Amino acid sequence: DAGITQSPRHKVTETGTPVTLRCHQTENHRYMYWYRQDPGHGLRLIHYSYGVKDTDKGEVSDGYSVSRSKTEDFLLTLESATSSQTSVYFCAISDISGANVLTFGAGSRLTVL
Amino acid sequence: KQEVTQIPAALSVPEGENLVLNCSFTDSAIYNLQWFRQDPGKGLTSLLLIQSSQREQTSGRLNASLDKSSGRSTLYIAASQPGDSATYLCAGPSGGGADGLTFGKGTHLIIQP
Repeated sequence: DAGITQSPRHKVTETGTPVTLRCHQTENHRYMYWYRQDPGHGLRLIHYSYGVKDTDKGEVSDGYSVSRSKTEDFLLTLESATSSQTSVYFCAISDISGANVLTFGAGSRLTVL
Repeated sequence: KQEVTQIPAALSVPEGENLVLNCSFTDSAIYNLQWFRQDPGKGLTSLLLIQSSQREQTSGRLNASLDKSSGRSTLYIAASQPGDSATYLCAGPSGGGADGLTFGKGTHLIIQP
């Protein structure tokens, strides 16, 4: 996980509260990704970024927003958390578009009660 | 849209056996495929990246192959050890560009001492 830090690593919150997960990288990679991992579904892409202030939706983007104001930080926000958003969230980075060689962070476990 | 399937979902074998994990994908235009290892409660560690031009890649006791024409990749583990116990995931480019990888649901491998 060298070069990628996710915070918080664990969080328990209540339905309806806002939550922000942070991904910080020191690799100066251009591309950053947020995935969620759930039993029976595997890893699914939520949002991704291809540069500062450049983001796009992934497969399961409903209920999530992202922001990238600096190369090193990619924030994932749940405006109003729901129990269906209980999951493990992974950030990934890549420096080569098209090659899609991803390096992953350690994950953030979110529980929404 | 790329779809990735892994068979079997789970596998338990005695230590020392050679084994094969299978991955199939739907987009034959795939230009690379990546195999990851995930230990319980941990992030993903990249094991092997196979470019379409390479068809095969080796790292220690691991060998991965890629056959675009059949839409298949295999991960061969020689002389398995209890430390190989983990979930193995394969992933291919979702559609090119910056939109990340599509993952299979993984093979949960247990090596019995």
